[in-house]
Amino acid sequence: QVQLQESGPGLVKPSETLSLTCTVSGGSINNYYWSWIRQPPGKGLEWIGYIYYSGSTKYNPSLKNRVTISVDTSKNQFSLKLNSVTAADTALYYCARVSHPDGSSGWYQDYWGQGILVTVSS
Amino acid sequence: DIQMTQSPSSLSASVGDRVTITCRTSQSVSRYLNWYQQTPGKAPKLLIHDASSLQSGVPSRFSGSGSGTDFTLTISSLQPEDSATYYCQWSYSTPYTFGQGTKLEIK
Repeated sequence: QVQLQESGPGLVKPSETLSLTCTVSGGSINNYYWSWIRQPPGKGLEWIGYIYYSGSTKYNPSLKNRVTISVDTSKNQFSLKLNSVTAADTALYYCARVSHPDGSSGWYQDYWGQGILVTVSS
Repeated sequence: DIQMTQSPSSLSASVGDRVTITCRTSQSVSRYLNWYQQTPGKAPKLLIHDASSLQSGVPSRFSGSGSGTDFTLTISSLQPEDSATYYCQWSYSTPYTFGQGTKLEIK
């Protein structure tokens, strides 16, 4: 059973960089896409971006040039960096596996971490 | 970007009821539409992918239908554990936008 676990600071100061890591266990990070999704308190879900195990990425344009997702296959981990954070970036951050079985199917998040709350405050 | 509109935004139903939640997209998404269930304090759980494919382990009372711009999630016989917020998600090209959610309460 694939499991994902987010880790990182729960408090980040405004204008600084939010850094989170997702550790994958019970399966290999290879041959899959891996995504980050966030949820502000009491609000809905926002897709942040994904990375393929080989390193190719796609990001949500709403986050412009503030986001970077990277992967470390040797550690079975992938990471999120979001710079120049403001209070609007306060959210529960989830990492998830993306499945895309074949060219006729869509892309869906089938395994999720439990989420980590990151608060942006001085 | 594709816009997703779910309706209703909230509803209340009784155990045993048949419940339907709708998701409408701003342009055709073919069948590339997923449904997730989120219970309080938990991560979202995939229920349906590609509009009507039931994810492994999900009870058969959940079903999905639709294509193009109009999709539905149906719970055939509501159970107490189905109290949750349900989200649809466009899933073929990025950004993978979510609907705003439908909160389902049990009477």
